[in-house]
Amino acid sequence: AQRVTQPEKLLSVFKGAPVELKCNYSYSGSPELFWYVQYSRQRLQLLLRHISRESIKGFTADLNKGETSFHLKKPFAQEEDSAMYYCALSGLKVGNEKLTFGTGTRLTIIP
Amino acid sequence: DAGVTQSPTHLIKTRGQQVTLRCSPKSGHDTVSWYQQALGQGPQFIFQYYEEEERQRGNFPDRFSGHQFPNYSSELNVNALLLGDSALYLCASSQGLSASYEQYFGPGTRLTVT
Repeated sequence: AQRVTQPEKLLSVFKGAPVELKCNYSYSGSPELFWYVQYSRQRLQLLLRHISRESIKGFTADLNKGETSFHLKKPFAQEEDSAMYYCALSGLKVGNEKLTFGTGTRLTIIP
Repeated sequence: DAGVTQSPTHLIKTRGQQVTLRCSPKSGHDTVSWYQQALGQGPQFIFQYYEEEERQRGNFPDRFSGHQFPNYSSELNVNALLLGDSALYLCASSQGLSASYEQYFGPGTRLTVT
């Protein structure tokens, strides 16, 4: 069974401080990992995905297969980063492309 | 392009009733997935439609059924509603089945069962 765990429901960080949102996963095989974000009064949207290896809005995420983690990081938090963040995974094989989400972490940036 | 649209925005039903939720995918997308998001939880996959067929299904009872039309729009039907079906129902569309295609989410339909 595939599972995504986000251990922190709430995270508060001061503006300018580093941010790390934790995500651990369980999957037998090679998954594709994602971070989705939902800003206030907006719809859920993709922030970044492992396969792209991009930095979006200053955020990066590294897949650690040994620790089965995909933590989201940003060196300097900004107020506009306040949002709900969801880690998700999907399988790469045909027939297993469904997204499995974690329970989310609400990030609040303190001015 | 309005992106993924869903209707209605809100809905209140009574236990035992049936409900139909609707989704129009983003222009150019042919795959639609449905998710249930209970309060304080992440979205849970219900099922996915492609070429008017259900391609994948999550761990939901048969009371949850769906349909995809030739224009790629989709419906989610829930029969014999339970209090526990109260949730935000999200629709997402993509250009195909592959995980390499980004899923775009709609604003959701808030269903309350009393």
